[in-house]
Amino acid sequence: EAEVAQSPRYKITEKSQAVAFWCDPISGHATLYWYRQILGQGPELLVQFQDESVVDDSQLPKDRFSAERLKGVDSTLKIQPAELGDSAMYLCASSSGLEQYFGPGTRLTVT
Amino acid sequence: QKEVEQNSGPLSVPEGAIASLNCTYSDRGSQSFFWYRQYSGKSPELIMSIYSNGDKEDGRFTAQLNKASQYVSLLIRDSQPSDSATYLCAPSGAGRRALTFGSGTRLQVQP
Repeated sequence: EAEVAQSPRYKITEKSQAVAFWCDPISGHATLYWYRQILGQGPELLVQFQDESVVDDSQLPKDRFSAERLKGVDSTLKIQPAELGDSAMYLCASSSGLEQYFGPGTRLTVT
Repeated sequence: QKEVEQNSGPLSVPEGAIASLNCTYSDRGSQSFFWYRQYSGKSPELIMSIYSNGDKEDGRFTAQLNKASQYVSLLIRDSQPSDSATYLCAPSGAGRRALTFGSGTRLQVQP
């Protein structure tokens, strides 16, 4: 069964350090999403890609976050510098139609 | 007013009972509605999608949608302890594929 892959699964970093997350969507899925989920809340969209183009990054804190999907397949989300408030689960999802499928997520802890 | 409202719970039901989970949303332009199940520490898993008014059944799950009332619900029949999880309601906004999630309802099924 096709799945969204993410790495790493867990990341602990000190504040002010840089951190990067990787996502490989389900094969053939043109749309890729990065969400952030704080404990006790629902996921919130950070950025949406259609192929290699950004469709929506209105909620991405652009002073410290960046995202790219250079070849329209896998994607990287970067935070630099990390802050304590960035501690959360970072979720990648992909879709070919309306239904989105999530990867296992990356649990980030900033100390 | 939150865009998507769910009772946080916990909703406690005995094994074998029907669990009823409710969700209201504010965006009248929403066209697609999804229910995700999320076990503690895991990523969301898509369990139901519904696009038109009325009921949609899939196994033990029934989704109900009333766009006029901006209300969507999920019924789980013959609840099992393995159904104990947080259930996230997620409509997609008008003209958008990205989802807006509620904070979820925690369901506990008592053996």
